[in-house]
Amino acid sequence: DTEVTQTPKHLVMGMTNKKSLKCEQHMGHRAMYWYKQKAKKPPELMFVYSYEKLSINESVPSRFSPECPNSSLLNLHLHALQPEDSALYLCASSQSGTGAFGTDTQYFGPGTRLTVL
Amino acid sequence: KNQVEQSPQSLIILEGKNCTLQCNYTVSPFSNLRWYKQDTGRGPVSLTIMTFSENTKSNGRYTATLDADTKQSSLHITASQLSDSASYICVGAGFQKLVFGTGTRLLVSP
Repeated sequence: DTEVTQTPKHLVMGMTNKKSLKCEQHMGHRAMYWYKQKAKKPPELMFVYSYEKLSINESVPSRFSPECPNSSLLNLHLHALQPEDSALYLCASSQSGTGAFGTDTQYFGPGTRLTVL
Repeated sequence: KNQVEQSPQSLIILEGKNCTLQCNYTVSPFSNLRWYKQDTGRGPVSLTIMTFSENTKSNGRYTATLDADTKQSSLHITASQLSDSASYICVGAGFQKLVFGTGTRLLVSP
């Protein structure tokens, strides 16, 4: 199984809502990532969890709050978002915690299309 | 400044033809160079990963080259298919850093 799953596929929320994005992998990978991708732009790294500990936080606003309950699950909690936060949110995983700067292949999920009204 | 530049920005080719996409990178310290394929609205899929000691790597009809001296990479697609229509993203990996290019949008026309 080389699949990273993300739910929901689409999400529309208001600026006062609280929602969560979920990501799951069953490949035994120990590193998981959140990316944000605007239309026609490359993905931007937001967070990296290595062995369930937050190892990279690319100065993301506090309205985005990541959580890694266990090695297979990664959540992104959303609160008080702005319309400019509308984007495709991608989750990825890799074998070890060096995926972002080693040679481990990153496996991406299909993404959650988020629209903030 | 770490950056990755790709060319062309977009490309249209006829089905069955070959094409080559270019990538110039400035990533220091440098670890490896990656090529991804991304269909619209989907997550990227890894095509190749090359370290500085590797000159070429193939994955089916995709062949990537790397010249660590000139800091250039290319992705050659052979006998293109309609399903090759996608964005192709070049990524330079350094120490705790992934630098993404803006991608080349390829359209394969019947």
